[in-house]
Amino acid sequence: AQSVTQLDSQVPVFEEAPVELRCNYSSSVSVYLFWYVQYPNQGLQLLLKYLSGSTLVKGINGFEAEFNKSQTSFHLRKPSVHISDTAEYFCAVSVGYKLSFGAGTTVTVRA
Amino acid sequence: EAQVTQNPRYLITVTGKKLTVTCSQNMNHEYMSWYRQDPGLGLRQIYYSMNVEVTDKGDVPEGYKVSRKEKRNFPLILESPSPNQTSLYFCASSPGQVLTDTQYFGPGTRLTVL
Repeated sequence: AQSVTQLDSQVPVFEEAPVELRCNYSSSVSVYLFWYVQYPNQGLQLLLKYLSGSTLVKGINGFEAEFNKSQTSFHLRKPSVHISDTAEYFCAVSVGYKLSFGAGTTVTVRA
Repeated sequence: EAQVTQNPRYLITVTGKKLTVTCSQNMNHEYMSWYRQDPGLGLRQIYYSMNVEVTDKGDVPEGYKVSRKEKRNFPLILESPSPNQTSLYFCASSPGQVLTDTQYFGPGTRLTVL
């Protein structure tokens, strides 16, 4: 079975500063990797996904993530955050029909 | 508008009183799934369905039932709710049968079992 560990539960950051959210996974088979964002009182929406090919994946709202197979990681980055990036971020891995999420990282952007 | 809808959005009930949370999507998606979200645990998959009449257990299926009689609907049934099922529930759908596609999430149902 696969599992996902998000290494930071809370990340405070100042506006226009960079942010990195760390995600490690474990699986005995190849996986597909996702980052979802949940804005306050809303459902989740996809930021980006890695299926194959280039290990650097670009998503919406200026986010990008890098897949590292040897370190089984899929860290999410944004070079300059905005107040509107305040949200909870979830890393997820899928194998076949099942999807496993990490516990989430709450990003709070301060002016 | 393409969307996943859930009803009700908020529900307070008592232990043992059967309830159903409905989920409907208008995108003709094959795959549908239910998750529960709890603080510090992220989202955990309860059940999923690859197509009509095809369902399977996720990671936390105990205490829940589902059915998929029509492609657009995937209700979640709690036959005898207990306080440990107090949670935020999300329904999601995806175009394909395997999870390479984006999942589209509903707005959530906040359930409190007293």
